[in-house]
Amino acid sequence: QSALTQPPSASGSPGQSVTISCTGTRRDVGGYNVVSWFQQYPGKAPKLLIYEVNKRPSGVPDRFSGSKSGNTASLTVSGLRAEDEAHYYCSSFAGNTLVIFGGGTKLTVL
Amino acid sequence: EMQLVESGGAVVQPGGSLRLSCVASGFSFENYAMNWVRQAPGKGLEWVSGITWNSDTIGYADSVKGRFTISRDNAKNSLYLQMNSLRPEDAALYFCAKDLRGVVRSSLDSWGQGTLVTVSS
Repeated sequence: QSALTQPPSASGSPGQSVTISCTGTRRDVGGYNVVSWFQQYPGKAPKLLIYEVNKRPSGVPDRFSGSKSGNTASLTVSGLRAEDEAHYYCSSFAGNTLVIFGGGTKLTVL
Repeated sequence: EMQLVESGGAVVQPGGSLRLSCVASGFSFENYAMNWVRQAPGKGLEWVSGITWNSDTIGYADSVKGRFTISRDNAKNSLYLQMNSLRPEDAALYFCAKDLRGVVRSSLDSWGQGTLVTVSS
């Protein structure tokens, strides 16, 4: 059970688009279309942004989108806003009632 | 509105035990898988354990397997985590999180605010 690999940091200017990657293996990300993305502000609980690779829960802006190719999933934030500055985590189902998280990415809005 | 409230966090000595609880409201608890996720101070999220809606399938992270036990009582809308043989590396904020489905799939759409576990002598 190794953590999924995310870049520690990402950044972009307001209005720009940023993509955060999440790399696993064929036993997790590559093997199932069950990748989620979460947003977390300091001192707060995580919030689900994307589930099952590219589905958005009600209330999540369509500026947030997800995709997957092979063993790598991606979260794209379009039209960056100051309020998007937060930590972002991916997770994946890994079979046999197992879940793995990524190490997290700190997104900075310049 | 869905709500999850954790309790039971405390300061405990290495080798000690603790039982965390999570009470759910605002949704049909018995229909959904539930999970425990922890976050050490200044660190990322780590999935700890998950349980299906009817408790027939349970999973654990390798780091806690054999020491922690997850359970649920659907009649009480409650989720539990029994933690034994605690280690300093188990110190973290423990979140209770609801899955979107009845089986564990990592689609965690509702989270509690967490309960803090400190392991120190």
